[in-house]
Amino acid sequence: QSALTQPASVSGSPGQSITISCTGTSSDVGGHNFVSWYQQHPGKAPKVVIYDVTKRPSGVSNRFSGSKSGNTASLTISGLQAEDEGDYYCCSYGGRSNYVFGTGTKVAVL
Amino acid sequence: QVQLVQSGAEVKKPGASVKVSCKASGNTFSNYYVHWVRQAPGQGLEWMGVMYPSGVDTNYAQNFQGKVTLSRDTSASTVYMEVSSLRSEDAAVYYCATEVPYTGWFDPWGQGTLVTVSS
Repeated sequence: QSALTQPASVSGSPGQSITISCTGTSSDVGGHNFVSWYQQHPGKAPKVVIYDVTKRPSGVSNRFSGSKSGNTASLTISGLQAEDEGDYYCCSYGGRSNYVFGTGTKVAVL
Repeated sequence: QVQLVQSGAEVKKPGASVKVSCKASGNTFSNYYVHWVRQAPGQGLEWMGVMYPSGVDTNYAQNFQGKVTLSRDTSASTVYMEVSSLRSEDAAVYYCATEVPYTGWFDPWGQGTLVTVSS
């Protein structure tokens, strides 16, 4: 199963909004609502920020939101803050008890 | 909620095997799926496989079938991930992470275990 496609990098100024795309196929992103997003800071373990396409775990800022259209899921970070810098990965159920991650996106706050 | 603690960094020679542990505190793995994820240096996350609450049933990503073996102790408090016939390409940080059954997302994650392969 091929990795989901994400842009290598996205940047924005503090206070702006950015959107990260995650493109898969009808076998993964397009066919299931088990799409989640993970934030990873350097040297740290990933942390979930969105699950089930649009839901936020308890404790995650409401500046993070998710959506999906067809085979592409998106993560939007609004009111960008310095602490949002890091790598972001989407993940989708791919059927047959398999999961697939995205290629990862480095977010920079200018 | 369960918390995960992984075993420490390992240095192995090419051709050897390595066994990484993931220990649960605050609960046991009899109520969770336990996933394993690899991250090579400077690279992205790669899903490797999952151990189910039975402690026997597993599923592996195609790329890791025959390469990785998941197991669990009888107390259901520790899951093990063994990588065989190590090559330089297996050098990575390996993470365990739990999933409440049928929810499709991973939380929490272990702190990661760095495996170095060097002659």
